[in-house]
This record gives sequence, structure tokens and C-alpha cells, in this order.
Amino acid sequence: NAGVTQTPKFQVLKTGQSMTLQCAQDMNHNSMYWYRQDPGMGLRLIYYSASEGTTDKGEVPNGYNVSRLNKREFSLRLESAAPSQTSVYFCASTFRGRSYEQYFGPGTRLTVT
Amino acid sequence: DAKTTQPNSMESNEEEPVHLPCNHSTISGTDYIHWYRQLPSQGPEYVIHGLTSNVNNRMASLAIAEDRKSSTLILHRATLRDAAVYYCILRLSTSGSEKLVFGKGTKLTVNP
Repeated sequence: NAGVTQTPKFQVLKTGQSMTLQCAQDMNHNSMYWYRQDPGMGLRLIYYSASEGTTDKGEVPNGYNVSRLNKREFSLRLESAAPSQTSVYFCASTFRGRSYEQYFGPGTRLTVT
Repeated sequence: DAKTTQPNSMESNEEEPVHLPCNHSTISGTDYIHWYRQLPSQGPEYVIHGLTSNVNNRMASLAIAEDRKSSTLILHRATLRDAAVYYCILRLSTSGSEKLVFGKGTKLTVNP
């Protein structure tokens, strides 16, 4: 099993550009999450999806949209990137009801200039 | 969500036990205590969790104070691979909440 995979690993955007971060898991998990981690900080939840077809806002949703494409895939879209969105983005997944044990992907390092 | 307080950094020597403290004085009766760790340039990984009783698994032990206002993650014999940032997190066990709230964590340095 590959676990949780994220693409791309690195990305540089100019202010105002858009992009979609992709996340997929092959563990048959119900719930998926997007976090961001700024330098020297802990992770902050952007959006989560408790099950296929549902999404909810986390702590810092402004400037982002998400799509739970199917059970395996959960994408994060930046419509108009801003320098404040420079961060490392992590996707995670778990079985519903077992959110204490989330499995994280390797992260996408995004720089917005 | 209730908050946790951890020291910014700690140091240990290889093959010695490590006790990582966490204060959570505003914890409620239904909050679970979780620990995750993040190795350099990787995503976090689950370590252990508990509610009231002490817990052991292959990675670590979790000691929870009787009043639940503090807890300690114990690594019995630190190795160089245990150098990471350790996060103490509370999560509501009811109301369908599926969110973990990460703080800044404790950066553990393990000296050879």
C-alpha cells in the first residue's frame, strides 16, 4: 500500500495564480483532512471530509476550496494564491470514528511570490 | 477546544528514558489525550492516545495524572530516530468531532 500520496511535492506560484493540490489514499479510509503548517508552528486544519460527499470547514478555510472526488481522493484548490498561503500542506486520512489515528502524507511545499 | 501547554524543547541522551510533559488544565471529562510526532521533513505520525488510564504500546507509554490535568509521554529508551517534534493534542470524544488541534509541540533532541 502507498498510504497517503500527495502531488506535487513542491510548487512555486505567483500571486493571483491558481492551483489544485491532489491527495489520494489507498487504505479505504472514510475521513480525509487538509492541514497547513507554517514555519515553527503546529498544523492547522483547513478543511476536512468526514465521508464521501461531505466537507466541513476547519480552523483556517479562507482562500481555499476542497472537493471530495470519491472515497480515495480529496483535493485542495487555491483560486487566487497569496503570499500568506506560503506553507507546507499535509493531507491525512483515517477511518471514521478512529480520528485519533490519522495517517499523513509527505506534504506539499508551496511558495507564493 | 481545550488547550495544551508543552515545553518548546527538550534534550536526551541515546538509550536513556525520556519523559515529555504536557499540561491540559482545561481538559473536560470527555477529551481524549493524543500524542503525535513529526520527524524532520515528514508528516506527523500517531504515537499513542488515552482517556483516563495509563496506556502502553510498542512506541511509547502514556501516563495520565489522576486529575487528568497533565500527562507524560514516556519513551523508554531514546534512539537517534526519536529526534522529532512531539505534539500533545486533545480531542473531544463526543458530538461527532473529528478534529485534532495541534499546538507547537516539543522539539526533542537526542544526543549520541
